[in-house]
Amino acid sequence: DAGVIQSPRHEVTEMGQEVTLRCKPISGHNSLFWYRQTMMRGLELLIYFNNNVPIDDSGMPEDRFSAKMPNASFSTLKIQPSEPRDSAVYFCASSATGEGNEQFFGPGTRLTVL
Amino acid sequence: AQSVAQPEDQVNVAEGNPLTVKCTYSVSGNPYLFWYVQYPNRGLQFLLKYITGDNLVKGSYGFEAEFNKSQTSFHLKKPSALVSDSALYFCAVKGRGNTPLVFGKGTRLSVIA
Repeated sequence: DAGVIQSPRHEVTEMGQEVTLRCKPISGHNSLFWYRQTMMRGLELLIYFNNNVPIDDSGMPEDRFSAKMPNASFSTLKIQPSEPRDSAVYFCASSATGEGNEQFFGPGTRLTVL
Repeated sequence: AQSVAQPEDQVNVAEGNPLTVKCTYSVSGNPYLFWYVQYPNRGLQFLLKYITGDNLVKGSYGFEAEFNKSQTSFHLKKPSALVSDSALYFCAVKGRGNTPLVFGKGTRLSVIA
């Protein structure tokens, strides 16, 4: 199993540009999660999906952030327009259906907004 | 609302000595409890979890954790630390039902040779 796949691994962009982060969950997993990690705020849950449906997006910081999951094997997190304070490592994680199942994390995308 | 506290930002231990990384939680009802480890420039890796049953849970790389309901704790332990155990450790809790997984702020473990 390839695990959770994220792309790109690194992204450097200028303020105001659109950024799209991509995630492929583990095959067969029905839940997908987007997190953001910074030194100041730690690990924050942004949004999660069950069976491709967004369940809780209360962690999305602003309307500039949006996430989609068009099918069971692909999700995107978009920031438009990007700002320097969006600089962080963004993780995608997936888990199988079931309350006690652990989440498997991807390697993350390190985003730098200049 | 559920929450997790990792009271130590940093734990230092000598190689070969036992290590403990502390975690306390707050949740309504019975919890699901997890430990994850993060190495530099990597994603979080699952170490172990408590769902129900035996309070002592054994996980990857020789780690174990003990669920203590009365103290609402789930401390991570290892009998003999290795330099390669140096990493950032996260405790996480989830309540029953449709509730999110909540992570602590992390504890940086440094094992000194």
